[in-house]
Amino acid sequence: GDSVTQMEGPVTLSEEAFLTINCTYTATGYPSLFWYVQYPGEGLQLLLKATKADDKGSNKGFEATYRKETTSFHLEKGSVQVSDSAVYFCALSGLNNAGNMLTFGGGTRLMVKP
Amino acid sequence: KAGVTQTPRYLIKTRGQQVTLSCSPISGHRSVSWYQQTPGQGLQFLFEYFSETQRNKGNFPGRFSGRQFSNSRSEMNVSTLELGDSALYLCASSLKTDSFYEQYFGPGTRLTVT
Repeated sequence: GDSVTQMEGPVTLSEEAFLTINCTYTATGYPSLFWYVQYPGEGLQLLLKATKADDKGSNKGFEATYRKETTSFHLEKGSVQVSDSAVYFCALSGLNNAGNMLTFGGGTRLMVKP
Repeated sequence: KAGVTQTPRYLIKTRGQQVTLSCSPISGHRSVSWYQQTPGQGLQFLFEYFSETQRNKGNFPGRFSGRQFSNSRSEMNVSTLELGDSALYLCASSLKTDSFYEQYFGPGTRLTVT
């Protein structure tokens, strides 16, 4: 079945540091890929998405490129802020369902220190 | 436009009892999905309803059930609660774009089973 693997946290960075959170997936065909963010006490918010190979999703300074050859969708940000502290989830929506079931990675907690 | 709302936000139940959680999707969204989030298992898909019909189902026991009403509001029910059912239950509503379903999550209902 479909699966998503992302690096375990916590990831602790100083403000303005470069961020990379690795995500790899296993799926049949060409799934859609997503990054969601969860702030303390809240639900999930869609951060960015990519629906086909070589697509780059971007939002709020975060970027991720859909790499079919390496089955990866790594999240990057050039300069993190304290307000980016949250848990980040990589997810995919596979083709072997009606299109609405998300498979999530385990989540990576990011802590940004001033 | 109002977001996805879930009620109640917090719930404490005793082992063996049953519980009903409610989700109101974003206006116009006809698909509602439910997810369970626990520290040990992460985010797991429970089921999805579309136009009052269950369209997808995750790998959970029959104690977990749901339904959707004609106004797209959804409820999930857990009978004979177990300690392991303590979790954050997230609801997401979806609108199909040209290639995938973009899901919007509610804040969740935190269920504690004692």
